[in-house]
Amino acid sequence: AQSVTQPDIHITVSEGASLELRCNYSYGATPYLFWYVQSPGQGLQLLLKYFSGDTLVQGIKGFEAEFKRSQSSFNLRKPSVHWSDAAEYFCAVGVSNFGNEKLTFGTGTRLTIIP
Amino acid sequence: NAGVMQNPRHLVRRRGQEARLRCSPMKGHSHVYWYRQLPEEGLKFMVYLQKENIIDESGMPKERFSAEFPKEGPSILRIQQVVRGDSAAYFCASSPPRQVATDTQYFGPGTRLTVL
Repeated sequence: AQSVTQPDIHITVSEGASLELRCNYSYGATPYLFWYVQSPGQGLQLLLKYFSGDTLVQGIKGFEAEFKRSQSSFNLRKPSVHWSDAAEYFCAVGVSNFGNEKLTFGTGTRLTIIP
Repeated sequence: NAGVMQNPRHLVRRRGQEARLRCSPMKGHSHVYWYRQLPEEGLKFMVYLQKENIIDESGMPKERFSAEFPKEGPSILRIQQVVRGDSAAYFCASSPPRQVATDTQYFGPGTRLTVL
């Protein structure tokens, strides 16, 4: 069965510093990978997704992620974080022949931004 | 174009009561998914529905939980005889009819269920 691991439960970063959130997946076929962000008390907003093609994908709010098949990873990066980036970040893998009938989520990484 | 709508946003029930959670997908979307998020955890898939059909309910508890997506109206997640362990945030997501393998699920704001 597929699984997603986000090894960092909580990360604290200074405003303006760079950010990398780790995500590792386990899935036998070509994965469909997603990063979502959840602000407190809110739903999930899609940041970016990878289905095929270029392994470096650009998303909204200045985020990007790189798919590395050899490492089974899909890490999220941002060169300079803003205070508004403080939120919970979830990595997910889509499972099915068509892409995403069912998403399997990691447990999330909570990002705190300090001035 | 309105996003995925869920109501109520907050629901309080006493043990043994029934909870009904509603989800209206985005316009033009015919696929609905329900996920549950327990405190301090990620989202767990519960059920995937298309209009009038349950496609995958592998994540749904066998008892007390049911879901439907009728031809007309919103999708309903129903929890009978709620227990304290049902307290969680329940999220609905929708996606358009699958014509290409690149569809994305769009999430609603969630319903936060508290069982007293």
